[in-house]
Amino acid sequence: EIVLTQSPATLSLSPGERATLSCRASQSISSYLAWYQQKAGQAPRLLIYDASNRASGIPARFSGSGSGTDFTLTISSLEPEDFAVYYCQHRNNWPFTFGPGTRVHIK
Amino acid sequence: EVQLVESGGGLVKPGGSLKLSCAASGFSFRGYTMNWVRQAPGMGLEWVSSITSSDTSIYYADSVKGRFTISRDNAKKILYLQMNSLRAEDTAVYYCTRGGGGGYSFLWGQGTLVTVSS
Repeated sequence: EIVLTQSPATLSLSPGERATLSCRASQSISSYLAWYQQKAGQAPRLLIYDASNRASGIPARFSGSGSGTDFTLTISSLEPEDFAVYYCQHRNNWPFTFGPGTRVHIK
Repeated sequence: EVQLVESGGGLVKPGGSLKLSCAASGFSFRGYTMNWVRQAPGMGLEWVSSITSSDTSIYYADSVKGRFTISRDNAKKILYLQMNSLRAEDTAVYYCTRGGGGGYSFLWGQGTLVTVSS
């Protein structure tokens, strides 16, 4: 089973700042990684798939990069609605595990 | 409207059973892999099970293998999760999701809460 590790666990930032979130896989997963956003009390929503492809309707301030074992989600300039928990998930092979999440909260 | 609506959650005693349903609308249900993902209170996401579009392949997390059964009725556009021998650690919000891109969850339901407690 592939283990995904996310860092940092918590990120304290102000609106307008840049957020950089990391996801590391225990073995190479090519570009088979997705990022999800979950706001309090809501279901998650897909932001990025296959490392760098934005899902439909996702603003351009969200971008993803990486391949192999190291991946990054960048939010170029935080909007108030971006403060949430972010999860990564791989699809390299079953089971398609999730990372533990990074909480982005207002500083 | 494209949506997934889960139902069937509730309070059940340890060792008991529960069957979750997920009604799909607004898209061609039979053409998609469907998944169940759960989230224990205050915790992260855990993939539970997946079923491919024509039932050709079914997958389970080790934590539920042998106890949970995923199935689908393409004519009725409903996804199911039969949960037997429930344990306290199965307490979670269970989300139904529509697969895509080879394994991701492009569409999520609102979730249904399952509580296993005596």
